[in-house]
Amino acid sequence: AQSVAQPEDQVNVAEGNPLTVKCTYSVSGNPYLFWYVQYPNRGLQFLLKYITGDNLVKGSYGFEAEFNKSQTSFHLKKPSALVSDSALYFCAVSFHGNNRLAFGKGNQVVVIP
Amino acid sequence: DVKVTQSSRYLVKRTGEKVFLECVQDMDHENMFWYRQDPGLGLRLIYFSYDVKMKEKGDIPEGYSVSREKKERFSLILESASTNQTSMYLCASRSSGQGTSLNEQFFGPGTRLTVL
Repeated sequence: AQSVAQPEDQVNVAEGNPLTVKCTYSVSGNPYLFWYVQYPNRGLQFLLKYITGDNLVKGSYGFEAEFNKSQTSFHLKKPSALVSDSALYFCAVSFHGNNRLAFGKGNQVVVIP
Repeated sequence: DVKVTQSSRYLVKRTGEKVFLECVQDMDHENMFWYRQDPGLGLRLIYFSYDVKMKEKGDIPEGYSVSREKKERFSLILESASTNQTSMYLCASRSSGQGTSLNEQFFGPGTRLTVL
């Protein structure tokens, strides 16, 4: 079984401040972890993924995420948030041999000017 | 640029109607997926297909069926639409190259279906 938890419904951050969106996972075996972003009335866009190797993964639009195996977490981060980063963010997990992605419920990020 | 397209952005249907949602991808991906998205529930998998004419049930298949006659096209069918099927429907595709589970999914823009 595989599952993802995104504990916060909404994250509010001031423009220019660091942004963190939290994700923890549960999976049997080594996880493959993904972050997606969804802008209003749009589909999901891929941001980044962790497969293996360096625990810090860099992705699109200045986002990065850190894989922490001991804490089973994959938090998304951005050093300086922009108003245009306001969107819905989804964490997802898969594992070797599994065709499916399990998605979290999503976090609404609001960047305040 | 990779592309997944869905036949309609907005759709309004009446209870009991048969509804077809179409999805087309131009990336030659083997795997295709249908999700529904509801506030507070995230994305829930309805059905997926890993090859032409092949399909597997997801987490919430009841009230839905699918068809995949060509590699690039994956259709979701609501046999008799009900008001509780009012939702955002998202289609996605995923390559099997180098191992399916390693690859990200590419999503279409979504179809917002309202059943009256």
